[in-house]
Amino acid sequence: QKEVEQDPGPLSVPEGAIVSLNCTYSNSAFQYFMWYRQYSRKGPELLMYTYSSGNKEDGRFTAQVDKSSKYISLFIRDSQPSDSATYLCAINDYKLSFGAGTTVTVRA
Amino acid sequence: DVKVTQSSRYLVKRTGEKVFLECVQDMDHENMFWYRQDPGLGLRLIYFSYDVKMKEKGDIPEGYSVSREKKERFSLILESASTNQTSMYLCASSFQKRETIYEQYFGPGTRLTVT
Repeated sequence: QKEVEQDPGPLSVPEGAIVSLNCTYSNSAFQYFMWYRQYSRKGPELLMYTYSSGNKEDGRFTAQVDKSSKYISLFIRDSQPSDSATYLCAINDYKLSFGAGTTVTVRA
Repeated sequence: DVKVTQSSRYLVKRTGEKVFLECVQDMDHENMFWYRQDPGLGLRLIYFSYDVKMKEKGDIPEGYSVSREKKERFSLILESASTNQTSMYLCASSFQKRETIYEQYFGPGTRLTVT
């Protein structure tokens, strides 16, 4: 079983919509939960992280962790065409385990 | 600004060739990583290094080796390239400080095609 599972999509939404991305993970010992964003022909870059459980908000982005159900989510409010990218969830700390990535397209 | 550079953006090699992929970081990071990225599979860790001359196998080390002779440089070696090693290869680096250990900085990637 993979340590983290992510629906690869793709996902296409109109500008201004809320984007909802999800991952599930298998090991309840994980403490760090990250979201990386990868634009086309670029390497991934850290978007947000959450330590342990709860929510974290950064502008239009909200990351949520539900440790009881081993579920992590990323919400993008008021989505923009510039948000079009692949979003990868990642867990653990030293040796990251990545989800497959979800490709999001925001249509103008 | 953190910079991770990779020696080539695109590379085409023949089956059986020895291939070297180079990665250099300029932030004095202790940790360095090599991943491959394939559609539907995400990033999979090949090898990582937490110090000069130290290396540890990741999830898919078969067919690869690595070298870290200097802190800033981490090389991935395909001893005898095969077509199933056609992929995007990404290098990353990070600090070992506990409070930032989760943040890896990635290079732009090398798209390797083995024919």
